[in-house]
Amino acid sequence: LAKTTQPISMDSYEGQEVNITCSHNNIATNDYITWYQQFPSQGPRFIIQGYKTKVTNEVASLFIPADRKSSTLSLPRVSLSDTAVYYCLVGAIKAAGNKLTFGGGTRVLVKP
Amino acid sequence: GAGVSQSPSNKVTEKGKDVELRCDPISGHTALYWYRQSLGQGLEFLIYFQGNSAPDKSGLPSDRFSAERTGGSVSTLTIQRTQQEDSAVYLCASQSGTAPKILTDTQYFGPGTRLTVL
Repeated sequence: LAKTTQPISMDSYEGQEVNITCSHNNIATNDYITWYQQFPSQGPRFIIQGYKTKVTNEVASLFIPADRKSSTLSLPRVSLSDTAVYYCLVGAIKAAGNKLTFGGGTRVLVKP
Repeated sequence: GAGVSQSPSNKVTEKGKDVELRCDPISGHTALYWYRQSLGQGLEFLIYFQGNSAPDKSGLPSDRFSAERTGGSVSTLTIQRTQQEDSAVYLCASQSGTAPKILTDTQYFGPGTRLTVL
């Protein structure tokens, strides 16, 4: 799987937009970009996935530039409950299963 | 519907003892994964089951670790002769997809089992 680099931590305040950028310089043609969210004492939860350009769902937006060497997860108007660790993963479709490799993630702390 | 469940939620054991951790995946999901997460760290892949195929054991850290999946559903992760470095949260995830969608289909994680080896 392509190696990813993301900030260790970020602080924000309620109502602000949080943008987390993940670098994946050696992303391959068949690789998808996936973000997971993990609250304390819980397993990770899928947030969003994309291949190129922009993807938006009810939770977040994912921006992927044309060269796909980075991606930015955007959380609009965060609340205290968005405090969590956010993981960026990059991997290809393959028949042998998807053994997700999570790095350290980005710890987002939303303050009142 | 019901999500992935794991038991026990917490397990404290003495060094050298064997432990069994259980995972009940989402009904109908053909793929099942075990991961380990040490305190403040990312997830470490351990083993992967897909249907009736031979499991991918490439992530198991030693021969003290083994896992089974009976009837394509419930899975048990066994750690023999536990060591203090085995202390971690053990997470199970299930996934409905098969090749070639195995990446894009979401993995659904259970709450994990926190293992403490004294």
